[in-house]
Amino acid sequence: DAKTTQPNSMESNEEEPVHLPCNHSTISGTDYIHWYRQLPSQGPEYVIHGLTSNVNNRMASLAIAEDRKSSTLILHRATLRDAAVYYCILRDRANSGGSNYKLTFGKGTLLTVNP
Amino acid sequence: DAGVIQSPRHEVTEMGQEVTLRCKPISGHDYLFWYRQTMMRGLELLIYFNNNVPIDDSGMPEDRFSAKMPNASFSTLKIQPSEPRDSAVYFCASSPRDGYSNQPQHFGDGTRLSIL
Repeated sequence: DAKTTQPNSMESNEEEPVHLPCNHSTISGTDYIHWYRQLPSQGPEYVIHGLTSNVNNRMASLAIAEDRKSSTLILHRATLRDAAVYYCILRDRANSGGSNYKLTFGKGTLLTVNP
Repeated sequence: DAGVIQSPRHEVTEMGQEVTLRCKPISGHDYLFWYRQTMMRGLELLIYFNNNVPIDDSGMPEDRFSAKMPNASFSTLKIQPSEPRDSAVYFCASSPRDGYSNQPQHFGDGTRLSIL
């Protein structure tokens, strides 16, 4: 399975942008890049995903390198509620055929937001 | 809209007892996933279902663990007999049909299980 590498932790100040990096040098051509986050005492929450082009949604932006070996999740203005563990995940298409899939979570990046 | 509902939120029991965790997925979702989270091993996929049929149970740790999905709106994860090392937070997630649309998984709030 293609793996991702993320920093263990990062720190940011409130209302400042945050760039969370992820390396995935062994990504395959059909792997999608997904980001989830997990707030304290909650289940993971989907943030964003992409394949080749940069993506934007109401929560964040995803910048994907041209060679797809790395990506960056961008929170444009961090708030205290953004303090969480952020997971960068490559979608692993299961071998059973059809449209089944599963996600493999790593250790993620613990983001601390300072007031 | 109601999200994924898990019960109980907390469970404390003695080793050797049977434990049953319950999950109600989001209505209309075709996929259901069971995960376990511990400090040591992080978030691990145990098993997942597609249209109530188990597709991949390679993450189920041993025969003491079993999961069922008798209908589209209900799933259980059972541990019998339970052991202290089963203590963890267990999450259920559901997702619509995937195709190539990369539908996200929606997680419940988890069941925190403590085996004494």
